[in-house]
Amino acid sequence: DAGVIQSPRHEVTEMGQEVTLRCKPISGHNSLFWYRQTMMRGLELLIYFNNNVPIDDSGMPEDRFSAKMPNASFSTLKIQPSEPRDSAVYFCASSFPQGRGYTFGSGTRLTVV
Amino acid sequence: QQQVKQSPQSLIVQKGGISIINCAYENTAFDYFPWYQQFPGKGPALLIAIRPDVSEKKEGRFTISFNKSAKQFSLHIMDSQPGDSATYFCAASSGSARQLTFGSGTQLTVLP
Repeated sequence: DAGVIQSPRHEVTEMGQEVTLRCKPISGHNSLFWYRQTMMRGLELLIYFNNNVPIDDSGMPEDRFSAKMPNASFSTLKIQPSEPRDSAVYFCASSFPQGRGYTFGSGTRLTVV
Repeated sequence: QQQVKQSPQSLIVQKGGISIINCAYENTAFDYFPWYQQFPGKGPALLIAIRPDVSEKKEGRFTISFNKSAKQFSLHIMDSQPGDSATYFCAASSGSARQLTFGSGTQLTVLP
C-alpha cells in the first residue's frame, strides 16, 4: 500500500493565484481529513469527508478555501485567491470507519509570495 | 472546549533519560487519545493510543498514563534515544469519524 499520496510536495505561488492541492486516500478508507500545520497555530483540522460527503467544514478559515471529494479516491483543497498568510504545510489523512488506520500523507508545503 | 493543551513546548533529555509530555482536555465527549510522532518533512504517524477505560498503556519504551477525573494524559518515553528526537503531538477525538483535535506539539531533543 502506497499510503496517503499528496501532490505536489512543494508549491510556491504568487499572491492572488489559485492553488490546488491534491490527495489520494488509502483504498478502502471512507473518511478523509484536511489539516493545516503552522508554527503559530499547530495542526488545525480544516474539513473532513465521510463517504465523499463533506461533514464539517467549520475549520476552513475563509471562503477563499474550498474542498471537494468527487470520488472515493481523490480530493482537492483549493485556495483562490491565495495570500501570504496561507503559507503552511497542508496534510491530508484518511481512515476506515471509527478512525481505524488513521494515516497522514507527507504533506504539501505551500509558500505564497 | 475543543482544545487540547500540551506542555512543554520543547524538551531536551539526555540519552537514557525519561521524557514526559503532558496534555489536558476539556471536552468530556473525547473518548480516544492518541499520540503522534512527526519527523521533519513527514506527516504525523500514530505512536500509541489509549481509551479512557484504562489508566495506562505501554508499548515498548512508550507509555501513556491517563487520568480521567483530571482530564489529563501523558506520554512517557523510557530510556530515551537520539532517534526519538521528533515533534510529539497528543490528540483527542470523538464521533464516528474520529476527527482529531491536536495539541500544540512538543519538540523533543535527545542528546547523545
